[in-house]
Amino acid sequence: EPEVTQTPSHQVTQMGQEVILRCVPISNHLYFYWYRQILGQKVEFLVSFYNNEISEKSEIFDDQFSVERPDGSNFTLKIRSTKLEDSAMYFCASSPGLLSYEQYFGPGTRLTVT
Amino acid sequence: SQKIEQNSEALNIQEGKTATLTCNYTNYSPAYLQWYRQDPGRGPVFLLLIRENEKEKRKERLKVTFDTTLKQSLFHITASQPADSATYLCALHGSSNTGKLIFGQGTTLQVKP
Repeated sequence: EPEVTQTPSHQVTQMGQEVILRCVPISNHLYFYWYRQILGQKVEFLVSFYNNEISEKSEIFDDQFSVERPDGSNFTLKIRSTKLEDSAMYFCASSPGLLSYEQYFGPGTRLTVT
Repeated sequence: SQKIEQNSEALNIQEGKTATLTCNYTNYSPAYLQWYRQDPGRGPVFLLLIRENEKEKRKERLKVTFDTTLKQSLFHITASQPADSATYLCALHGSSNTGKLIFGQGTTLQVKP
């Protein structure tokens, strides 16, 4: 069964450094998402991406964040200058359609900012 | 603002019993509601989607109801097993048509043998 994959599984970085989190969505899906989950808190939406552009972003997704689909398979989330409060699990998700479709989540990247 | 509430207290039940989890929402008129399962340190896994014109949806031992008047969904696991122990998340789409999901904080279910 196809699945969403994410790398790395765990990333440790120093405050102020740039990180790139990578995702390979399911191949025939058209809609892509990033969510994050701070330890013990709810899953929060960051950004949705369709047709090579951002369709919606949350208040969390400020100028320090960017997303890219550099080729036909990868979907990346970049944080330009990490802060301590960026420490969280970051989940990539994809779906074949919008409202009536489930989203398929990757296993997540645990980002630790020290 | 749109709000989703799930019982934040853990639910402990005996194996073989039916678990019932609640999801309430406010300031919302969702066309669809979804339930996901999340194990510790893992990503959410889709379980069921129910449409506003469906009162009930079933999949194996799972059943979801959707009451748009009460603004509530109930999620049932019948004949529960220890392997059903996990956190269960209720999710609704945001009002924009972008696929954004808004999650409740989840209810942790512990099924004891």
